[in-house]
Amino acid sequence: ETGVTQSPTHLIKTRGQQVTLRCSSQSGHNTVSWYQQALGQGPQFIFQYYREEENGRGNFPPRFSGLQFPNYSSELNVNALELDDSALYLCASSLGRSGEQYFGPGTRLTVT
Amino acid sequence: GDSVTQMEGPVTLSEEAFLTINCTYTATGYPSLFWYVQYPGEGLQLLLKATKADDKGSNKGFEATYRKETTSFHLEKGSVQVSDSAVYFCALGVEGAGKSTFGDGTTLTVKP
Repeated sequence: ETGVTQSPTHLIKTRGQQVTLRCSSQSGHNTVSWYQQALGQGPQFIFQYYREEENGRGNFPPRFSGLQFPNYSSELNVNALELDDSALYLCASSLGRSGEQYFGPGTRLTVT
Repeated sequence: GDSVTQMEGPVTLSEEAFLTINCTYTATGYPSLFWYVQYPGEGLQLLLKATKADDKGSNKGFEATYRKETTSFHLEKGSVQVSDSAVYFCALGVEGAGKSTFGDGTTLTVKP
Protein backbone atom coordinates (compact mmCIF):
# COMPACT_ATOMS: atom_id res chain seq x y z
CA GLU A 1 0.00 0.00 0.00
CA THR A 2 1.48 3.34 -1.08
CA GLY A 3 1.13 6.27 1.30
CA VAL A 4 0.41 9.88 0.47
CA THR A 5 3.17 11.50 -1.55
CA GLN A 6 3.74 15.16 -2.36
CA SER A 7 5.96 16.97 -4.81
CA PRO A 8 8.13 18.89 -4.82
CA THR A 9 9.65 18.67 -1.35
CA HIS A 10 10.90 22.23 -1.34
CA LEU A 11 10.22 25.18 -3.58
CA ILE A 12 11.43 28.77 -3.74
CA LYS A 13 9.38 31.32 -5.66
CA THR A 14 9.35 35.08 -6.10
CA ARG A 15 6.47 37.30 -5.04
CA GLY A 16 3.88 37.57 -7.83
CA GLN A 17 4.72 34.21 -9.39
CA GLN A 18 2.43 31.19 -9.61
CA VAL A 19 3.04 27.74 -8.14
CA THR A 20 1.55 24.25 -8.51
CA LEU A 21 1.90 21.64 -5.79
CA ARG A 22 1.02 18.00 -6.33
CA CYS A 23 -0.35 15.23 -4.17
CA SER A 24 -0.91 11.54 -4.80
CA SER A 25 -3.48 10.04 -2.50
CA GLN A 26 -3.15 6.75 -0.69
CA SER A 27 -4.37 3.76 -2.65
CA GLY A 28 -8.16 3.39 -2.38
CA HIS A 29 -8.76 6.92 -1.09
CA ASN A 30 -11.14 9.20 -3.00
CA THR A 31 -10.83 12.40 -0.97
CA VAL A 32 -7.99 14.90 -0.72
CA SER A 33 -7.72 17.84 1.66
CA TRP A 34 -5.12 20.60 1.54
CA TYR A 35 -3.77 22.51 4.53
CA GLN A 36 -1.37 25.41 5.02
CA GLN A 37 0.90 25.22 8.06
CA ALA A 38 2.75 28.41 8.89
CA LEU A 39 5.81 28.15 11.10
CA GLY A 40 4.86 27.49 14.71
CA GLN A 41 1.15 27.11 13.97
CA GLY A 42 -1.33 24.36 13.36
CA PRO A 43 -2.49 23.42 9.86
CA GLN A 44 -5.20 25.64 8.40
CA PHE A 45 -7.77 24.05 6.08
CA ILE A 46 -7.64 25.34 2.50
CA PHE A 47 -10.12 23.06 0.72
CA GLN A 48 -11.16 19.48 0.15
CA TYR A 49 -11.90 17.53 -3.03
CA TYR A 50 -14.21 14.54 -3.03
CA ARG A 51 -14.60 12.56 -6.25
CA GLU A 52 -13.24 15.48 -8.30
CA GLU A 53 -15.61 18.08 -6.80
CA GLU A 54 -14.71 20.74 -4.24
CA ASN A 55 -16.34 19.87 -0.92
CA GLY A 56 -15.69 22.71 1.46
CA ARG A 57 -13.28 25.61 1.52
CA GLY A 58 -11.53 27.45 4.31
CA ASN A 59 -10.85 31.15 4.65
CA PHE A 60 -8.45 31.47 1.73
CA PRO A 61 -8.71 33.88 -1.23
CA PRO A 62 -9.66 32.71 -4.75
CA ARG A 63 -6.03 32.81 -5.87
CA PHE A 64 -5.78 29.46 -4.05
CA SER A 65 -7.38 26.91 -6.36
CA GLY A 66 -7.28 23.18 -6.81
CA LEU A 67 -8.07 20.19 -8.93
CA GLN A 68 -8.66 16.53 -8.36
CA PHE A 69 -8.09 14.06 -11.17
CA PRO A 70 -9.94 10.81 -11.99
CA ASN A 71 -7.19 8.82 -10.25
CA TYR A 72 -7.87 11.01 -7.15
CA SER A 73 -4.51 12.73 -7.20
CA SER A 74 -4.71 16.47 -6.69
CA GLU A 75 -3.07 19.80 -7.40
CA LEU A 76 -3.00 23.00 -5.39
CA ASN A 77 -2.40 26.16 -7.43
CA VAL A 78 -1.52 29.51 -5.93
CA ASN A 79 -1.45 32.62 -8.12
CA ALA A 80 0.11 36.01 -7.41
CA LEU A 81 2.26 34.67 -4.59
CA GLU A 82 2.69 36.82 -1.50
CA LEU A 83 5.38 36.65 1.17
CA ASP A 84 2.80 35.36 3.68
CA ASP A 85 2.20 32.32 1.47
CA SER A 86 5.52 30.95 2.73
CA ALA A 87 4.53 27.81 4.65
CA LEU A 88 4.44 24.03 4.70
CA TYR A 89 1.60 22.79 2.49
CA LEU A 90 0.14 19.49 3.60
CA CYS A 91 -2.05 17.14 1.65
CA ALA A 92 -4.19 14.52 3.37
CA SER A 93 -6.16 11.74 1.75
CA SER A 94 -9.08 9.80 3.16
CA LEU A 95 -11.79 7.38 2.18
CA GLY A 96 -14.82 9.64 2.14
CA ARG A 97 -15.29 13.22 3.24
CA SER A 98 -15.13 12.43 6.94
CA GLY A 99 -12.79 9.48 6.87
CA GLU A 100 -9.56 9.22 8.79
CA GLN A 101 -6.97 11.46 7.15
CA TYR A 102 -3.50 10.30 6.19
CA PHE A 103 -1.02 13.13 5.68
CA GLY A 104 1.82 13.44 3.25
CA PRO A 105 5.22 14.85 4.25
CA GLY A 106 4.38 18.29 2.87
CA THR A 107 5.87 20.79 0.43
CA ARG A 108 7.88 23.63 1.94
CA LEU A 109 7.19 26.80 -0.08
CA THR A 110 9.34 29.87 0.40
CA VAL A 111 8.31 33.13 -1.26
CA THR A 112 10.97 35.81 -1.52
CA GLY B 1 -16.98 28.80 14.09
CA ASP B 2 -15.13 25.70 15.19
CA SER B 3 -11.95 26.17 17.19
CA VAL B 4 -9.40 24.20 19.19
CA THR B 5 -7.29 25.59 22.03
CA GLN B 6 -4.22 23.77 23.27
CA MET B 7 -2.07 24.50 26.27
CA GLU B 8 0.85 26.65 25.34
CA GLY B 9 4.28 25.10 25.16
CA PRO B 10 6.94 24.20 24.96
CA VAL B 11 6.78 21.39 27.50
CA THR B 12 10.02 19.88 28.79
CA LEU B 13 9.97 16.69 30.85
CA SER B 14 12.41 14.16 32.13
CA GLU B 15 12.19 10.59 30.88
CA GLU B 16 9.51 8.53 32.69
CA ALA B 17 7.62 11.64 33.81
CA PHE B 18 3.82 11.92 33.49
CA LEU B 19 2.53 13.94 30.55
CA THR B 20 -0.65 15.97 30.21
CA ILE B 21 -1.36 18.27 27.27
CA ASN B 22 -4.64 20.13 27.62
CA CYS B 23 -7.04 20.60 24.73
CA THR B 24 -10.46 22.25 24.68
CA TYR B 25 -12.73 22.80 21.73
CA THR B 26 -15.72 24.74 20.43
CA ALA B 27 -17.82 23.17 17.71
CA THR B 28 -21.27 22.98 16.21
CA GLY B 29 -22.64 19.53 15.63
CA TYR B 30 -21.05 16.40 17.03
CA PRO B 31 -17.34 16.45 16.27
CA SER B 32 -14.83 13.66 16.28
CA LEU B 33 -11.66 14.52 18.17
CA PHE B 34 -8.10 13.66 17.25
CA TRP B 35 -4.52 13.91 18.44
CA TYR B 36 -1.83 14.07 15.78
CA VAL B 37 1.94 13.94 16.25
CA GLN B 38 4.53 15.60 14.03
CA TYR B 39 8.15 14.53 14.28
CA PRO B 40 10.84 16.89 12.98
CA GLY B 41 10.82 17.11 9.19
CA GLU B 42 7.80 14.86 8.81
CA GLY B 43 4.08 15.18 8.14
CA LEU B 44 1.34 14.63 10.68
CA GLN B 45 0.56 11.15 11.95
CA LEU B 46 -2.71 10.27 13.62
CA LEU B 47 -1.97 9.27 17.21
CA LEU B 48 -5.46 8.55 18.50
CA LYS B 49 -9.09 9.52 18.05
CA ALA B 50 -12.51 9.46 19.70
CA THR B 51 -15.77 9.80 17.82
CA LYS B 52 -18.35 10.36 20.56
CA ALA B 53 -18.72 11.55 24.12
CA ASP B 54 -17.00 9.41 26.80
CA ASP B 55 -14.98 7.48 24.21
CA LYS B 56 -11.35 6.93 25.14
CA GLY B 57 -8.77 6.87 22.37
CA SER B 58 -5.46 5.16 23.05
CA ASN B 59 -2.27 4.29 21.20
CA LYS B 60 1.41 3.74 22.10
CA GLY B 61 0.71 4.45 25.77
CA PHE B 62 -1.07 7.73 25.05
CA GLU B 63 -4.71 8.21 26.07
CA ALA B 64 -7.38 10.88 25.72
CA THR B 65 -11.04 10.87 26.77
CA TYR B 66 -13.75 12.80 24.92
CA ARG B 67 -15.43 14.95 27.62
CA LYS B 68 -18.51 16.64 26.19
CA GLU B 69 -19.46 18.33 29.46
CA THR B 70 -16.13 20.15 29.67
CA THR B 71 -15.52 20.22 25.87
CA SER B 72 -12.08 18.77 26.44
CA PHE B 73 -9.81 16.05 25.03
CA HIS B 74 -6.65 16.12 27.13
CA LEU B 75 -3.71 13.94 26.08
CA GLU B 76 -1.97 11.87 28.77
CA LYS B 77 0.88 9.40 29.02
CA GLY B 78 2.07 7.79 32.20
CA SER B 79 5.76 7.55 31.38
CA VAL B 80 7.28 9.50 28.50
CA GLN B 81 10.35 8.49 26.54
CA VAL B 82 12.95 10.55 24.68
CA SER B 83 11.44 9.22 21.45
CA ASP B 84 8.14 10.96 22.30
CA SER B 85 9.76 14.34 21.65
CA ALA B 86 7.64 15.93 18.91
CA VAL B 87 4.89 18.47 18.28
CA TYR B 88 1.40 17.33 19.28
CA PHE B 89 -1.74 18.73 17.66
CA CYS B 90 -5.30 18.44 18.88
CA ALA B 91 -7.94 18.58 16.15
CA LEU B 92 -11.65 18.18 15.54
CA GLY B 93 -13.65 17.09 12.53
CA VAL B 94 -17.39 17.33 11.97
CA GLU B 95 -19.19 14.66 9.94
CA GLY B 96 -19.69 15.83 6.36
CA ALA B 97 -18.01 19.20 6.97
CA GLY B 98 -15.01 18.24 4.90
CA LYS B 99 -12.28 19.67 7.09
CA SER B 100 -10.38 19.29 10.31
CA THR B 101 -9.72 22.22 12.64
CA PHE B 102 -6.37 22.11 14.41
CA GLY B 103 -4.90 23.71 17.49
CA ASP B 104 -1.57 25.48 17.29
CA GLY B 105 0.40 22.52 18.58
CA THR B 106 2.41 21.82 21.73
CA THR B 107 6.11 21.04 21.48
CA LEU B 108 7.22 18.28 23.83
CA THR B 109 10.88 17.72 24.63
CA VAL B 110 11.82 14.72 26.77
CA LYS B 111 15.29 14.72 28.31
CA PRO B 112 17.13 11.57 29.36
